[in-house]
Amino acid sequence: DAGVTQSPTHLIKTRGQQVTLRCSPKSGHDTVSWYQQALGQGPQFIFQYYEEEERQRGNFPDRFSGHQFPNYSSELNVNALLLGDSALYLCASSLRRGRNTIYFGEGSWLTVV
Amino acid sequence: AQSVAQPEDQVNVAEGNPLTVKCTYSVSGNPYLFWYVQYPNRGLQFLLKYITGDNLVKGSYGFEAEFNKSQTSFHLKKPSALVSDSALYFCAVRDTGANNLFFGTGTRLTVIP
Repeated sequence: DAGVTQSPTHLIKTRGQQVTLRCSPKSGHDTVSWYQQALGQGPQFIFQYYEEEERQRGNFPDRFSGHQFPNYSSELNVNALLLGDSALYLCASSLRRGRNTIYFGEGSWLTVV
Repeated sequence: AQSVAQPEDQVNVAEGNPLTVKCTYSVSGNPYLFWYVQYPNRGLQFLLKYITGDNLVKGSYGFEAEFNKSQTSFHLKKPSALVSDSALYFCAVRDTGANNLFFGTGTRLTVIP
């Protein structure tokens, strides 16, 4: 049973560019969330997708957007990259209903130069 | 609003000794509490969770956590520490009525051989 998978593992972008990160949830899960973990900090919630719609959003600017596909996989897009966007981006999956465990992927390391 | 505090940035313990990593929380409703572990350059691995029921929760790799409602605490414990337990530990609380997590700032555990 595959867990949460993310790609790419590492990437380097230049300020002002755009980036797309991808996530496949754990088998059977229908809800995908994205978190940003800056160096030395705990993960911060960006947004959550369920039934292909954004259901919740944390305190992140509109430069951060996402998408969920019919197979429950998801993308995180960040436009107009800033140096401060450098972080580990974690995808998490769970079931929408019930008191379920939230599982995380290995993350995508984004460096903005 | 939900919040989590991990008062210790660093915990050192000798191999074979018991370990405790502290966590206190603040929630407006019933707390759903989680512990995750993060090894260097890796994602988050689920250790255990408290939803309801027994105050002592048992999890992966011999870890357990004690829920104390009066002290609003959820400390992580292990009877005998291993060198391989050295990692970054995060306490998290699930947002009431939602499915996202608020994380503490993390505690770095070092087990000394």
